[in-house]
Amino acid sequence: EAQVTQNPRYLITVTGKKLTVTCSQNMNHEYMSWYRQDPGLGLRQIYYSMNVEVTDKGDVPEGYKVSRKEKRNFPLILESPSPNQTSLYFCASSDGQGTVEQYFGPGTRLTVT
Amino acid sequence: LAKTTQPISMDSYEGQEVNITCSHNNIATNDYITWYQQFPSQGPRFIIQGYKTKVTNEVASLFIPADRKSSTLSLPRVSLSDTAVYYCLPSGGYQKVTFGTGTKLQVIP
Repeated sequence: EAQVTQNPRYLITVTGKKLTVTCSQNMNHEYMSWYRQDPGLGLRQIYYSMNVEVTDKGDVPEGYKVSRKEKRNFPLILESPSPNQTSLYFCASSDGQGTVEQYFGPGTRLTVT
Repeated sequence: LAKTTQPISMDSYEGQEVNITCSHNNIATNDYITWYQQFPSQGPRFIIQGYKTKVTNEVASLFIPADRKSSTLSLPRVSLSDTAVYYCLPSGGYQKVTFGTGTKLQVIP
């Protein structure tokens, strides 16, 4: 089954404790992206990647890091989480070739206390 | 990047046709227009995509005028399960994308 998976689905952590949210897709997509969603603000793009070893900033990259060492994986790293990073996070992928339908993961609800 | 403008919310009765219009005045030549549906606490889901004129699939129709500065998503005979947030997204593939705040559709019994 074609899908985007994220782990963990729920996470409660404390300020400053480094964490990684994993994202994996099994569709051989070149384009992957991370979004955060907050009430009233819609979906905001954090980082995106056009291919292995190619990443770029979205609208809200501050406080986040990403890496794309393999085509299928695109982890989101919070080196020193802060309470303002409490949010619902979505990973997405697409083939980016003309038809730009993005496939979204189930989401990761992160709470930083 | 094309900035989008959509109504914040809409209400409709079950069984009615719903039209949601999105304005994207500075759409790029190579941008497609994609509409997504999102239920609470779930990731957005693709509904329909088009470049120009009219596209229809089993769940919706998409109307795009010749100047492509707007698009209208048409949902025929909505049901309670169509209550969701709908986003339009002009995008050309490998690039930064900016979702708007979407349109919250409430279907009333």
